[in-house]
Amino acid sequence: SQQGEEDPQALSIQEGENATMNCSYKTSINNLQWYRQNSGRGLVHLILIRSNEREKHSGRLRVTLDTSKKSSSLLITASRAADTASYFCATDSNTGNQFYFGTGTSLTVIP
Amino acid sequence: EPEVTQTPSHQVTQMGQEVILRCVPISNHLYFYWYRQILGQKVEFLVSFYNNEISEKSEIFDDQFSVERPDGSNFTLKIRSTKLEDSAMYFCASSGRRSTDTQYFGPGTRLTVL
Repeated sequence: SQQGEEDPQALSIQEGENATMNCSYKTSINNLQWYRQNSGRGLVHLILIRSNEREKHSGRLRVTLDTSKKSSSLLITASRAADTASYFCATDSNTGNQFYFGTGTSLTVIP
Repeated sequence: EPEVTQTPSHQVTQMGQEVILRCVPISNHLYFYWYRQILGQKVEFLVSFYNNEISEKSEIFDDQFSVERPDGSNFTLKIRSTKLEDSAMYFCASSGRRSTDTQYFGPGTRLTVL
């Protein structure tokens, strides 16, 4: 299975702290994407990193990709209560036609 | 900003009934997808669609499921005879010119099968 697996499963931090979530996957990829999901809502795309990239930034988000270790991390700096959500990584299949989602990390930011 | 829309937001149906879930992808996108998420579980891929045909489907996408792009803007998922275990959130997504482009998701349709 190609599925991405995030860890930790749950993370609770104080507002202002940084949050780091990790994702591991099993086979080669074209790209890896991070999504956010508020409880009972849809998936919001955060960032896409391609297999030939090592790091990407978007605002308070920083994503790294290590294809040799088949892992990625999502760092949210200076967290806010509004960042409370579940965060998922998704990896594509060899054909690029489907994405595999992990079980997600549930992040709680305490005001 | 363009977005994927889905209707209805919530559908309640009796077991054995047919349901059609509708999606309007982002207008210049070429690749379309359906995913589902059973409550408390991970998002699961169902099917991808390109150039008016299925390009890939998962084991979940059996003969009870079908997809269609009837009019060049809508993208539908039909479940022919719903089962209790079909109760889930169903998400439509679309991506641009390449299948490896970012997938943008709709807000989902919550399907409840009684």
